[in-house]
Amino acid sequence: QVHLGQSGAEVRKPGASVKVSCKASGYTFTKYLIHWVRQAPGQGLEWMGMINPSVNNADYAQRFQGRITMTSDASTTTVYMEVNSLGSDDTALYYCARELWPTGDFDYWGQGTLVTVSS
Amino acid sequence: QAVVTQPASLSASPGASASLTCTLRSGTNVGDHRICWYQQKPGSPPQFLLRYNSDSDKQKGSGVPSRFSGSKDASANAGILLISGLQSDDEADYYCAIWHNSAWVFGGGTRLTVL
Repeated sequence: QVHLGQSGAEVRKPGASVKVSCKASGYTFTKYLIHWVRQAPGQGLEWMGMINPSVNNADYAQRFQGRITMTSDASTTTVYMEVNSLGSDDTALYYCARELWPTGDFDYWGQGTLVTVSS
Repeated sequence: QAVVTQPASLSASPGASASLTCTLRSGTNVGDHRICWYQQKPGSPPQFLLRYNSDSDKQKGSGVPSRFSGSKDASANAGILLISGLQSDDEADYYCAIWHNSAWVFGGGTRLTVL
């Protein structure tokens, strides 16, 4: 069955970086895009960007351009997202989700990775 | 003005129907966009409910009951998620999303209370 397994919770100080992972299983890794969506405590969903694992090409939301990097490793069916220059407002649950392009359906989601930024 | 707006909350009684709206900003035509809907319960990731563009271009998520359906109201420039026969288990946050200017944009979400 389809499963997106995310890495564990992280705590970072302001200005630091964090790299979270999303391991896919149960489907053909290169046939689906992976998106990253975050949710600050008590807030709504915010799309950060997406990566096409078949060509390892990523597109980012404008507000995160230059601060995030998404990569994929087909040999381990894992997608990574690194966020730099963390601030307290980056404290959030970070979800990965897959999409069969170009449906737009984020049909499976990871369990989320909590990133806490605190001095 | 946000690209996509949802009412913050909605209450309805068990057995009744609830119509959740996803209003697009003026100048962003609902007819040009697929509307995706997600349900999120406390402590869980969002779950894909359905996508609606037209009656010939729609998709429901795996295992989603027939009580959930999508539509558009062109006069209101809005996408609509209709939930009929409300059950207590439908109590959750509901988010809509559209692809706009090369990015996915989520609405702020509607908290549905069933009481």
